[in-house]
Amino acid sequence: GDSVTQMEGPVTLSEEAFLTINCTYTATGYPSLFWYVQYPGEGLQLLLKATKADDKGSNKGFEATYRKETTSFHLEKGSVQVSDSAVYFCALSDRASGTYKYIFGTGTRLKVLA
Amino acid sequence: DSGVTQTPKHLITATGQRVTLRCSPRSGDLSVYWYQQSLDQGLQFLIQYYNGEERAKGNILERFSAQQFPDLHSELNLSSLELGDSALYFCASSVQGNTEAFFGQGTRLTVV
Repeated sequence: GDSVTQMEGPVTLSEEAFLTINCTYTATGYPSLFWYVQYPGEGLQLLLKATKADDKGSNKGFEATYRKETTSFHLEKGSVQVSDSAVYFCALSDRASGTYKYIFGTGTRLKVLA
Repeated sequence: DSGVTQTPKHLITATGQRVTLRCSPRSGDLSVYWYQQSLDQGLQFLIQYYNGEERAKGNILERFSAQQFPDLHSELNLSSLELGDSALYFCASSVQGNTEAFFGQGTRLTVV
């Protein structure tokens, strides 16, 4: 079945460091891919998305490119801030399956130190 | 504000009891999803409804049930509660399955 695998955390970085959180997926169809962020005590918020191969999603300095050849959707940010500390979830929605359910990775906790 | 409303925000109840969690989706969204988030198991998909009909089932226990009403709000019923059911329960909605889902703030259930 469909699945999402993302790197285990926690990831601890200093402010202004470069961030990469790896995400790979398996899907039977042509999924849409998403990154969500969860700040402490809150629900998940959509960070960015990509709906087809080679699309690049971007928002708030974060970027991720839909790579079909490597089935990956890695999240990157050039210079993290303390306010980026949160849990990041990679997710897919497989529209070919007909079930339209979202599959989430296990989440990666990011901690940014001042 | 995602536009998805969940009530109550917090719920404390005893083992063996039954509770109902409520979700109002964003205006115009036909799909509603329920997820359980616990510390050791991440975000687990429970069930999905589309325009009143069940569309997909995930790891939902037989003690749990859900429905979506004609006005599109949804309820998740949890019965014969056990300590292990303590978790955050999230509702999400989307226009349709392959667009982004918007999440509510969650209901934190504590079973004592």
